[in-house]
Amino acid sequence: NAGVTQTPKFQVLKTGQSMTLQCAQDMNHEYMSWYRQDPGMGLRLIHYSVGAGITDQGEVPNGYNVSRSTTEDFPLRLLSAAPSQTSVYFCASSLPLGGGRTEQFFGPGTRLTVL
Amino acid sequence: SQELEQSPQSLIVQEGKNLTINCTSSKTLYGLYWYKQKYGEGLIFLMMLQKGGEEKSHEKITAKLDEKKQQSSLHITASQPSHAGIYLCGADLFGTGTASKLTFGTGTRLQVTL
Repeated sequence: NAGVTQTPKFQVLKTGQSMTLQCAQDMNHEYMSWYRQDPGMGLRLIHYSVGAGITDQGEVPNGYNVSRSTTEDFPLRLLSAAPSQTSVYFCASSLPLGGGRTEQFFGPGTRLTVL
Repeated sequence: SQELEQSPQSLIVQEGKNLTINCTSSKTLYGLYWYKQKYGEGLIFLMMLQKGGEEKSHEKITAKLDEKKQQSSLHITASQPSHAGIYLCGADLFGTGTASKLTFGTGTRLQVTL
């Protein structure tokens, strides 16, 4: 298993450009989430999905869109990039195993700079 | 997030010493997840606690969730250089019972000196 993969690893955008951050998992996990990590602020949830076709907003959804057409993929779209979106983006997938146990993995992250 | 306070923000310990990191909320921690992050890398899942009073251990790391389910601690015994990194707590504050919608603390940066 490759686990959770994210592409690209690094990206530089100009203000106003759009792009899609890719996230894929091969573990048949139901749940997938996107977080951004900024210095001094920990990770903040952008959007999450509890299954194919089902997505919902997290704490900081503005400026981002998601879709979940398959179990494996959960792309994050930046509609019109702004300098405030400069951050490290992490995708995570998880599966509750029952009995209070869970299986969860994070991707390696995408470091995005918006000029 | 201010909903989840993590302390201390940073910690420098000598190799072989014990240390404790705390994670506190004013809300119920329906599930509490501990992670380790190496600088510039993704998060590695360490442990998950769900029941009040629960305690789990893995190698030299022990995590506890208090009876009220509003505070968790991560204790490292006899620290080693390999323990260095950023430790983050993430909590299910909404009662989803899953790891899909977690609120995170700001992290504790741990350095282990020789």
